[in-house]
Amino acid sequence: QKEVEQNSGPLSVPEGAIASLNCTYSDRGSQSFFWYRQYSGKSPELIMFIYSNGDKEDGRFTAQLNKASQYVSLLIRDSQPSDSATYLCAVYPGGYQKVTFGTGTKLQVIP
Amino acid sequence: EPEVTQTPSHQVTQMGQEVILRCVPISNHLYFYWYRQILGQKVEFLVSFYNNEISEKSEIFDDQFSVERPDGSNFTLKIRSTKLEDSAMYFCASSYRPSGGSTDTQYFGPGTRLTVL
Repeated sequence: QKEVEQNSGPLSVPEGAIASLNCTYSDRGSQSFFWYRQYSGKSPELIMFIYSNGDKEDGRFTAQLNKASQYVSLLIRDSQPSDSATYLCAVYPGGYQKVTFGTGTKLQVIP
Repeated sequence: EPEVTQTPSHQVTQMGQEVILRCVPISNHLYFYWYRQILGQKVEFLVSFYNNEISEKSEIFDDQFSVERPDGSNFTLKIRSTKLEDSAMYFCASSYRPSGGSTDTQYFGPGTRLTVL
């Protein structure tokens, strides 16, 4: 059973701070990793994907991947109240296998 | 910007009835998916579909479920005899290739909220 683990939160950060969201996965052979943002009652919206070890930056978002530790994270700089949502980590093992989602971390940005 | 669309946005049905949830994937995408999310729980994979056949399905996707691409644009999920526990948000997603690699990912539709009474 391939597992994707996230702390359910809520993670509370003040406006303007850095929010750090973490995810671990069990399948060492996993190839690609996605971060989705999900507002309550809405569908998941892609934030970032990453497939190489290291950091990938896109605006205020940075994804970090460490395959040796089976760990992927998302940093949100200058957090805004509009960033308040549940962040889903999703892992793709490769080939024609399914993407597995974590349970999500609820982020609350306090004004 | 191209997007995945789903209809209806909310479906209410009686237990034992058949429902069909509809999706229009992004037009040049080749891989199609259904997920569900029970309220407060995680997104769960149901089925993937490529080249007019199922690529993979989860243990949730039993004989009560079926998928079809009846024409060049629609992708449907049918639940033959709904149960109370089928109440969930159902998301359709599509990708150009199987998810993974540098350019492709699954894009989600807005979802259909299914309520089984």
